[in-house]
Amino acid sequence: DAGITQSPRHKVTETGTPVTLRCHQTENHRYMYWYRQDPGHGLRLIHYSYGVKDTDKGEVSDGYSVSRSKTEDFLLTLESATSSQTSVYFCAISVGPTDTQYFGPGTRLTVL
Amino acid sequence: GENVEQHPSTLSVQEGDSAVIKCTYSDSASNYFPWYKQELGKRPQLIIDIRSNVGEKKDQRIAVTLNKTAKHFSLHITETQPEDSAVYFCAASLGGSQGNLIFGKGTKLSVKP
Repeated sequence: DAGITQSPRHKVTETGTPVTLRCHQTENHRYMYWYRQDPGHGLRLIHYSYGVKDTDKGEVSDGYSVSRSKTEDFLLTLESATSSQTSVYFCAISVGPTDTQYFGPGTRLTVL
Repeated sequence: GENVEQHPSTLSVQEGDSAVIKCTYSDSASNYFPWYKQELGKRPQLIIDIRSNVGEKKDQRIAVTLNKTAKHFSLHITETQPEDSAVYFCAASLGGSQGNLIFGKGTKLSVKP
């Protein structure tokens, strides 16, 4: 499973609360990604990182921020969660650009 | 923006038959095309990928073909088995990007014993 863990695996929260999801990897890969998966939409990229403190926006970045202070950790923050952010969130890693992406186990987030 | 279209959205076959899933992409600079299989409640897992310098790639019962001129690529599964039942996603890399992938919306494959 490419040494990727995500925490928490499940979370229920209320609208307006801040939420942080963590992705942790043990293989020192440079590239890390956050996706959300919703029925009928496939996987959509939220943010990605190409090194420590190097991040950029993806297709659906509004309402999300990220941080990467260490190679092994990539954090996704919802500053003020909304019901539209109820989703399954997957982290992924890759060795380099256009290399195979390996996915973490996912976090199921429910915003009430 | 760039997109990937995937068809069909659902596919039902009898065990032993072949299954074909087709994707088209819009970014002419795309050069990497992976396919992922996702079982219910699990993470997407890479099953095969192809790069733009290759027209076809095969791995046992799975093959992928790429037509760069038509911006089209397909997944072929032969001798399907019930354990092939899952959702399959195609993806294409964005040209000139940091490796960003654009995913199709998925095909739910059901293999009936």
